[in-house]
Amino acid sequence: EIVMTQSPATLSVSPGERATLSCRASQSVSSNLAWYQHKPGQAPRLLIFRASTRATGIPVRFSGSGSGTEFTLTISSLQSEDFAVYYCQQYDSWPPFTFGGGTRVEFK
Amino acid sequence: QLQLQESGPRVVKPSETLSLTCIVSGGSISSSPYYWGWIRQPPGKGLEWIGSVYYAGSSDYNPSLMSRVTFSVDRSKNHFYMEMTSVTAADTAVYYCVREKKTVSGRLFDYWGQGALVTVSS
Repeated sequence: EIVMTQSPATLSVSPGERATLSCRASQSVSSNLAWYQHKPGQAPRLLIFRASTRATGIPVRFSGSGSGTEFTLTISSLQSEDFAVYYCQQYDSWPPFTFGGGTRVEFK
Repeated sequence: QLQLQESGPRVVKPSETLSLTCIVSGGSISSSPYYWGWIRQPPGKGLEWIGSVYYAGSSDYNPSLMSRVTFSVDRSKNHFYMEMTSVTAADTAVYYCVREKKTVSGRLFDYWGQGALVTVSS
């Protein structure tokens, strides 16, 4: 099973600032990596797939990069609606599909 | 717009069977290339993929749960189901139903339900 590790666990950011979230895989997952956003009381939302492709309707301020074992999600200018928990997920080697433990982006 | 909604008992006794229904609206459960799955999140812990089912009946499982889980589909109702047997307190979690979109390599979870907290307690 591929273990996904996200850092930091919590990121304190002010609105308008850049947020950089990291995800590391225990072995190469090529570019088969997705990112999700989860706000309290809401259904999680797919943001990015294939490491860097934005899902339908996702604002351009969200970008993904990386391949192999190291990945990054960047929010270029944080908006108030972006405060949430973000998860990475690998879909290269399965079953099972596996997720990182999440990064909480909170208001600084 | 596709919507998924979990339904089922929110409290289950230890050693009994946890049964959940996912009600799909705004799209057909019989459409391709989609699978229909379940993901859970125990309190304070991460997300765990449980498994999924295809409308034609085939299923995929997380090996760690495979012996206790069964999936099924009712195309006439546009619902899909999960049963988990012999539950313990460790199965207490928020359970999400999801649509899995098949890609060349694996699957993405492109639609999620709001989640249902199921507590295992006597």
